[in-house]
Amino acid sequence: QVQLQESGPGLVKPSQTLSLTCTVSGGSISSGSYYWSWIRQPAGKGLEWIGRIYTSGSTNYNPSLKSRVTISVDTSKNQFSLKLSSVTAADTAVYYCAREPAGTGFFDYWGQGTLVTVSS
Amino acid sequence: DIQMTQSPSSLSASVGDRVTITCQASQDISNYLNWYQQKPGKAPKLLIYDASNLETGVPSRFSGSGSGTDFTFTISSLQPEDIATYYCQQYDNLPPTFGQGTKVEIK
Repeated sequence: QVQLQESGPGLVKPSQTLSLTCTVSGGSISSGSYYWSWIRQPAGKGLEWIGRIYTSGSTNYNPSLKSRVTISVDTSKNQFSLKLSSVTAADTAVYYCAREPAGTGFFDYWGQGTLVTVSS
Repeated sequence: DIQMTQSPSSLSASVGDRVTITCQASQDISNYLNWYQQKPGKAPKLLIYDASNLETGVPSRFSGSGSGTDFTFTISSLQPEDIATYYCQQYDNLPPTFGQGTKVEIK
């Protein structure tokens, strides 16, 4: 059974860089054909896809965030990571990592989510 | 981006009632539409993929239909454990986008 777990600071200062890691267990992040995504949800609001990385390392980003987002993968640690630069209070949200089997368009496994607050 | 509009934004129904949620896409997305259930404090859970396919292990009281721009999600007999917010999500084009959610409560 695949499991995903987000980790990282829960508080980030404005203008700094938000950094989160998703650790995948129960399977190798580099086996099979999967996209590994980051999705966020401000309190009481809907879901916003941030971007994804493929098993091969290729990435796609939401155009609304593209200039500030970097997603990378560390296959030796079975992890993938999110960096979001120049954060503001509008970036305060629960951040989820999720798996998307290639060619399906759906997210079948999710992490539990981690709250990141942007505040001085 | 493709805009997804769900209605209603919330509803209240009795146990055993049939519940229907609609999702409209801003352009034709064929059947590239998924439905998720999110309970408070939890991650979304995939229920329906490709508009009408039930994810493994999901109770058969959940169903989906539609294609093009108009989609429907139905709970045939509402159960207490179905209290949650439901989201549609399109994947016809990047970025994948979600509806704003429909909160389902028990009357």
